[in-house]
Order: sequence, then C-alpha cells, then structure tokens
Amino acid sequence: QVQLRESGPGLVKPSETLSLTCTVSGGSITGYYWSWIRQAPGKGLEWLGYISYSGSTNYSPSLRSRLTISVDTSKDQFSLKLTSVTPADTAIYYCAKAFRSGAANSGFDSWGQGTLVTVSS
Amino acid sequence: DIVMTQSPDSLAVSLGERATINCKSSQSVIYSSNNKNYLAWYQQKPGQPPRMLMYWASTRESGVPDRFSGSGSGTDFTLTISSLQAEDVAVYYCHQYLSAPYTFGQGTNLEIK
Repeated sequence: QVQLRESGPGLVKPSETLSLTCTVSGGSITGYYWSWIRQAPGKGLEWLGYISYSGSTNYSPSLRSRLTISVDTSKDQFSLKLTSVTPADTAIYYCAKAFRSGAANSGFDSWGQGTLVTVSS
Repeated sequence: DIVMTQSPDSLAVSLGERATINCKSSQSVIYSSNNKNYLAWYQQKPGQPPRMLMYWASTRESGVPDRFSGSGSGTDFTLTISSLQAEDVAVYYCHQYLSAPYTFGQGTNLEIK
C-alpha cells in the first residue's frame, strides 16, 4: 500500500507562512487526488483542500484566501502553503490519498502519520 | 456545507457487547447518478492517524474485521461493532465525501465499560 510522509517546520511564528510537503512512496502520485487534513489538539478532523495529479485544486472556503496546494509529480510530492497563520492554525497536519482512482469526491484510504505544527512567537 | 452530527459523543460498552454509533448528515449524501452513499467511517487511536473502516456507507475496507459493519442511507447512518474487543477503543468519525468542503462528524469516543 502507498505510504505518505509529511515534512516541514514544527514551529511557525504568527503572521508567517506554514509550509509542508507530503512525500508519496510505494506508488505513484499519478491517477489520484491528494488532500490535506488537520486536527487541532484534542479536536476533530478538518479537510483543508485537495490537488489532483494534474494540478486541479479545491480548497475549503474557510481557508481559500490563505491556502495553496501544489504538486510535483516528478518527485511524487505535494505541498501545502498557509499564509498569515495565527495560533488557531496550530494542529496536526495530515496528508491523505483518495481511495477512488481519478475521482475528487472520495474518502481517504491512506494517511501520513501527521506532523504537529505549532504557531507561536 | 454538509454538517455531520454524530451521537453519542461518548460511549462505554462492555467487552463482547455491541457498540452502535450514529451519524446524521444535514442533507442527503446520495449521488443521484449512481445511487451511492458518499459516506465513510474512520477509526482513530491515540497518537495515530485515522484509519478508513467503511466507504460507500457499508463497504468494509480491506483488512477490517467483520465485526465492523455500516448501514444507513440518505441522511442517517450507523456504525456497529458486533462484539467489542479491547483493541476497538478509539474515536470514530463519519465523513461525507459527496461535495466539497468534505466534512467530518465531531467524533465518538468509544471506551470499555
């Protein structure tokens, strides 16, 4: 089964940009949609947005003005950039794979282990 | 946005007994073109990412024990664990993937009584 791994800084200052990368191994990024999902400490799951292998994106309206997701198929990686962060953006950030090939509206059958990002000065 | 509401928030069940978790969506999650329910269930244990248990409301993901079953259609869904095992202690989430923004229930914390 495909494996995902998030990487990036664990601490970001308020008003700065949070940048994370998800590396896909054991399979190709091609053919699927890839999402970012976060979980504030002790809270539930929040879908942030997705990108297709061809670069189509869809973002949660609550974050659309601050969020960019990009893909690098040559490296089997996709990335998240969240600008102007505040302490409310402190969360575990997960990357996840859609279970349906070629379909955006899909559940997630593979998840990274998650990376905790703390927004604090 | 489709709002997903789970009940109860917390549940304590004895080992070997049945556990039932409910999920209600604010609008139908059936896609008219294929009549499928765009509803998944996940299990999350402490310190781990969520694990998909069910998709299409009632299709068990590969490797998921058959004591887990999903049912329901339209706006009302249920996840049932027929005989609770110690390793089933976790938080369970329902999730609609019919329309973006994709949304999750608030979670149900399942414990051993």
